[in-house]
Amino acid sequence: EDKVVQSPLSLVVHEGDTVTLNCSYEVTNFRSLLWYKQEKKAPTFLFMLTSSGIEKKSGRLSSILDKKELFSILNITATQTGDSAVYLCAVDGGSQGNLIFGKGTKLSVKP
Amino acid sequence: DSGVTQTPKHLITATGQRVTLRCSPRSGDLSVYWYQQSLDQGLQFLIQYYNGEERAKGNILERFSAQQFPDLHSELNLSSLELGDSALYFCASSVYHRTRDTGELFFGEGSRLTVL
Repeated sequence: EDKVVQSPLSLVVHEGDTVTLNCSYEVTNFRSLLWYKQEKKAPTFLFMLTSSGIEKKSGRLSSILDKKELFSILNITATQTGDSAVYLCAVDGGSQGNLIFGKGTKLSVKP
Repeated sequence: DSGVTQTPKHLITATGQRVTLRCSPRSGDLSVYWYQQSLDQGLQFLIQYYNGEERAKGNILERFSAQQFPDLHSELNLSSLELGDSALYFCASSVYHRTRDTGELFFGEGSRLTVL
């Protein structure tokens, strides 16, 4: 059965800290891995990764994929209180073209 | 604002009842996806429609059904409701048939269903 596992499930840091969120996966036909941020309601898209070793960056956020070891990390540097959210990792497992989500990492950034 | 509209935002009902959740996708998007998010299960894929036709089915119960209409809006029908059906139900849309073509789904704000 295809699955996506995120760790840690929750994390509390202080403003200015750097955090690393982890996502490991087991899927039959990997196509891509995606990161979403969910603040109050609707998840919003952050990154899509398809190739190993190529870092995607957007401001203080970056992500990289390791297709050999079947995991991805999401880094957030110089965290701000506005980064507080649930970060969701999802994988396109191929056969149905739909996304399999992990349970998310809840990040709380304290002032 | 993702451009995906879901109604109602909140719904409280009793066990055994039936409810309908509605979704209007972003203008031009042909694919509509329904997801259920509960505290212990995370986001679970239920069903996908593309241009009016069912394309993929996930962990959708037989008590649940959905359809996509010619104007591309979609409805998710939940019947014989149980306490465990209480969850946040998301609709998402994309222009393509398969997520691999864009990687991005646009999510609505969700409909929070509480079954008492």
